[in-house]
Amino acid sequence: DGGITQSPKYLFRKEGQNVTLSCEQNLNHDAMYWYRQDPGQGLRLIYYSQIVNDFQKGDIAEGYSVSREKKESFPLTVTSAQKNPTAFYLCASSRAGSKDTQYFGPGTRLTVL
Amino acid sequence: RKEVEQDPGPFNVPEGATVAFNCTYSNSASQSFFWYRQDCRKEPKLLMSVYSSGNEDGRFTAQLNRASQYISLLIRDSKLSDSATYLCVVNPYSGNTPLVFGKGTRLSVIA
Repeated sequence: DGGITQSPKYLFRKEGQNVTLSCEQNLNHDAMYWYRQDPGQGLRLIYYSQIVNDFQKGDIAEGYSVSREKKESFPLTVTSAQKNPTAFYLCASSRAGSKDTQYFGPGTRLTVL
Repeated sequence: RKEVEQDPGPFNVPEGATVAFNCTYSNSASQSFFWYRQDCRKEPKLLMSVYSSGNEDGRFTAQLNRASQYISLLIRDSKLSDSATYLCVVNPYSGNTPLVFGKGTRLSVIA
């Protein structure tokens, strides 16, 4: 079964702790993306990567970090510097770079207490 | 002007109705366009691409008007299962900038 997986589905953390969200894809896609969605709001781009070992900041990168050591994996770390981390986090991938249709994982709902 | 603008709705329509959503985009060099559907608390899923000549997929029709810089989505014979948020997505064709997502239009189909 090809697709994008994100884990866990729900995550609770205490304020001040870093947390890493997992995103894995077996679609052989080159590009991967992280978005944040707040209730009633649109998607906001955090980081994206068009190729292994390279990534670019999106519109709201402050307080987040990523790595792209493998083609299949693009983990997102929400650091304690992120002021309002509670949100729905969506990972996506696309085939031939940043212009192609994106396919999304099921998302991780992060709640910081 | 925002890159991609949509009427947030909600559009409340009875079953069987025809409903249309419009979306405007600011970058005239934009190359490709898509409609995604997002159910409540779920991930967005590709509904259809939008081609220059317009395209149809069952009850769904997408149109592109480059001169006025808008795309539209028409849903005929609405079903309860069509209730969702519909996202307009544009490829801005500006360097390596990824796709730009609109905030979505919410549709509720009522029995």
